[in-house]
Amino acid sequence: DAGVIQSPRHEVTEMGQEVTLRCKPISGHNSLFWYRQTMMRGLELLIYFNNNVPIDDSGMPEDRFSAKMPNASFSTLKIQPSEPRDSAVYFCASTLGTGYEQYFGPGTRLTVT
Amino acid sequence: KNEVEQSPQNLTAQEGEFITINCSYSVGISALHWLQQHPGGGIVSLFMLSSGKKKHGRLIATINIQEKHSSLHITASHPRDSAVYICAHPRLDKVGEYGNKLVFGAGTILRVKS
Repeated sequence: DAGVIQSPRHEVTEMGQEVTLRCKPISGHNSLFWYRQTMMRGLELLIYFNNNVPIDDSGMPEDRFSAKMPNASFSTLKIQPSEPRDSAVYFCASTLGTGYEQYFGPGTRLTVT
Repeated sequence: KNEVEQSPQNLTAQEGEFITINCSYSVGISALHWLQQHPGGGIVSLFMLSSGKKKHGRLIATINIQEKHSSLHITASHPRDSAVYICAHPRLDKVGEYGNKLVFGAGTILRVKS
């Protein structure tokens, strides 16, 4: 299995631009998570899906952030418009379900100038 | 106060030393996760345990549910063990069940020198 796949691996964009991060979970996994990691705040859960349905988006910073999971094998995290404070590493993870280990993707390093 | 406290924050060891990283939490939990993040950034799940002890190669994880404490041990440490080690546990949801949402510690930065 290829593991969790994320793209792009690096993204540099200017403030105000739209950014879309992509994730392909491990086949057969029912839950998908989007995390953000910064030096100041560590790992933070932004949103997670069970069976393609958003369950908890309380970690989404503000309306500029949105996430979708149109099917079991694909999810996106969109930031529009982006701001310099959004610069971070964004991880996607998936798991078989509650009580199972989470498998993390390699992350997308986002820099907003 | 963070629900998950790790110690030490930073640890430097000589190759071959036995290493212990501690994790304390303040609420009852269903399981505890240990994660490893290498300098390249990737995060790997090392262990998920709810009682006793688990061993994988040179890594050993223990948990004491009553004392709300877990430890990660590395035997015969090697420079390739240099990484950030993070403990985490599922958070209780609104209906009092343990879901998928993890609460993370701040991490322990380990550097093993040759």
